[in-house]
Amino acid sequence: LAKTTQPISMDSYEGQEVNITCSHNNIATNDYITWYQQFPSQGPRFIIQGYKTKVTNEVASLFIPADRKSSTLSLPRVSLSDTAVYYCLVGALGTGANNLFFGTGTRLTVIP
Amino acid sequence: EAGVTQFPSHSVIEKGQTVTLRCDPISGHDNLYWYRRVMGKEIKFLLHFVKESKQDESGMPNNRFLAERTGGTYSTLKVQPAELEDSGVYFCASSQAVGDYQETQYFGPGTRLLVL
Repeated sequence: LAKTTQPISMDSYEGQEVNITCSHNNIATNDYITWYQQFPSQGPRFIIQGYKTKVTNEVASLFIPADRKSSTLSLPRVSLSDTAVYYCLVGALGTGANNLFFGTGTRLTVIP
Repeated sequence: EAGVTQFPSHSVIEKGQTVTLRCDPISGHDNLYWYRRVMGKEIKFLLHFVKESKQDESGMPNNRFLAERTGGTYSTLKVQPAELEDSGVYFCASSQAVGDYQETQYFGPGTRLLVL
């Protein structure tokens, strides 16, 4: 079971770029890396997913080095509404959700 | 497109009582998952349905928990009898395809259960 390690919390000012790094040393060949965002009183929400190198969508970028033992979620120019908990998950999706380990997540606080 | 919905949003019951949680997945999604977070701890997987069949229920804590998905549409999670340690937030998620390595799970807002 590939577990993940993330910083417990981070603070950032509005307008700055935020990078959250996740370690997953035991990642398996079939595993994808997925990031979810969770606001208070809501369920986790998919942000981005990748397997290797770099993935970018309208919300974030995901950087994955060649060894895939870590990944970095990059949020450009954060706003107050980006204050949330961010989870890094590793798993071979489609083979059973028991492969998804949420961990503690990173609580991002955006400061005005 | 409607998202995953859960009912009720909150439930307060006494120890020993029965509670049934309901999840309506996104229409057309074969996969349905239950998760929970208890006492501020990490979100943990409970079980996974593919259509009406239980694909994996290894995360179910004990036999007081019973999940069903009749007809492969909505799912219910019954806790009987409820214990104090069952308090927490129960999330449901659904996804579209089986065996798709890029499937995305869409989560509902959760049901907050408090057992007194």
